[in-house]
Amino acid sequence: DQQVKQNSPSLSVQEGRISILNCDYTNSMFDYFLWYKKYPAEGPTFLISISSIKDKNEDGRFTVFLNKSAKHLSLHIVPSQPGDSAVYFCAATKTSGSRLTFGEGTQLTVNP
Amino acid sequence: EAEVAQSPRYKITEKSQAVAFWCDPISGHATLYWYRQILGQGPELLVQFQDESVVDDSQLPKDRFSAERLKGVDSTLKIQPAELGDSAMYLCASSLILAGVTEQYFGPGTRLTVT
Repeated sequence: DQQVKQNSPSLSVQEGRISILNCDYTNSMFDYFLWYKKYPAEGPTFLISISSIKDKNEDGRFTVFLNKSAKHLSLHIVPSQPGDSAVYFCAATKTSGSRLTFGEGTQLTVNP
Repeated sequence: EAEVAQSPRYKITEKSQAVAFWCDPISGHATLYWYRQILGQGPELLVQFQDESVVDDSQLPKDRFSAERLKGVDSTLKIQPAELGDSAMYLCASSLILAGVTEQYFGPGTRLTVT
């Protein structure tokens, strides 16, 4: 039972353009969502999060959008940089507990 | 900057052998997590500790896996006996709980290969 899904295993974009990574969830009890970035041979690092009381959260070049009715969230990176090339994981949790449920990840490649 | 420490970084073992991983969380973080990440998948929680107590081990294969955090600081995850399907990255994370929402900080992981 995959409660968090990232349907695109990979995404390739040109430097300076927008990267859009998508994530869908099925459990309506999830009310807090996070994005993590992972480089090879390193653990995931926290990138940005959003609570279900919001529909948008922005931090510099990174913006996360949440559509609760569609149970969908997306991460926008503008402008994309080669250093952004990594695997991006979407994760979801209930604020009443701290278990994170992760998606499968999307490999982002930003070409110079 | 404080980090989660894990050792070893890489481990190769034969099936049926015992293997152990160690994690030292960020100082002051009461909550500690062990995740398993199979190649091509996202991390999956194995066990969660609050101080020295297990609060969630519902996904831990208890017939072969065990975890302890005796003094509520560092932790050890053990597999005995190891099976081929245990080959994966084992990640440790720790967190402070702020207003019910937790940002988890991950260590670099231990890459286990079972032959």
